[in-house]
Amino acid sequence: EPEVTQTPSHQVTQMGQEVILRCVPISNHLYFYWYRQILGQKVEFLVSFYNNEISEKSEIFDDQFSVERPDGSNFTLKIRSTKLEDSAMYFCASSEPEEYYGYTFGSGTRLTVV
Amino acid sequence: AQSVTQLDSQVPVFEEAPVELRCNYSSSVSVYLFWYVQYPNQGLQLLLKYLSGSTLVKGINGFEAEFNKSQTSFHLRKPSVHISDTAEYFCAVRRGSNYKLTFGKGTLLTVNP
Repeated sequence: EPEVTQTPSHQVTQMGQEVILRCVPISNHLYFYWYRQILGQKVEFLVSFYNNEISEKSEIFDDQFSVERPDGSNFTLKIRSTKLEDSAMYFCASSEPEEYYGYTFGSGTRLTVV
Repeated sequence: AQSVTQLDSQVPVFEEAPVELRCNYSSSVSVYLFWYVQYPNQGLQLLLKYLSGSTLVKGINGFEAEFNKSQTSFHLRKPSVHISDTAEYFCAVRRGSNYKLTFGKGTLLTVNP
């Protein structure tokens, strides 16, 4: 079964540093997403991406964050100047264009900011 | 705006007992409803989804859910749980015209021997 692949599985970074979280969506999917889950809290939508541009973003997704599809297969989330409160599990997901298909989530990247 | 309420943060049950995890949503438009499961240290796996048609939806691992439009609920059930069902369960809703998923806070199901 096709999978969404995220790397790394765990990243530790110092406060103020920039991190890039990487995702390889399912190859025939056209919509891409990032969600995050702070420990003990619910999964929150960050951003959706379609046709090489952001289609929707949450109020969490401020100037500190950016997304990119640098080539035909990768989808990245960049977090600039990380803060302690950015520590969370970050999930990438992708979906097919027909709206009745559900998402496929990756297994997540646990980001720890120290 | 839509919201999802999972009424129970934790549900402990004994093995082979039935279980129901409750989910209520609020939305003024048509919605699609999902249940995801998260096993310890793993990602989110789709259990089942309601898109249209029959209000009783069957998913993987013997789980099923019933969509009740009048009560705006989408409760998850399993007639007999196994220890391996221990996990966090998330209800999620998506508006028909929007691809964003809104999640509930999750219910931790703990199955004891």
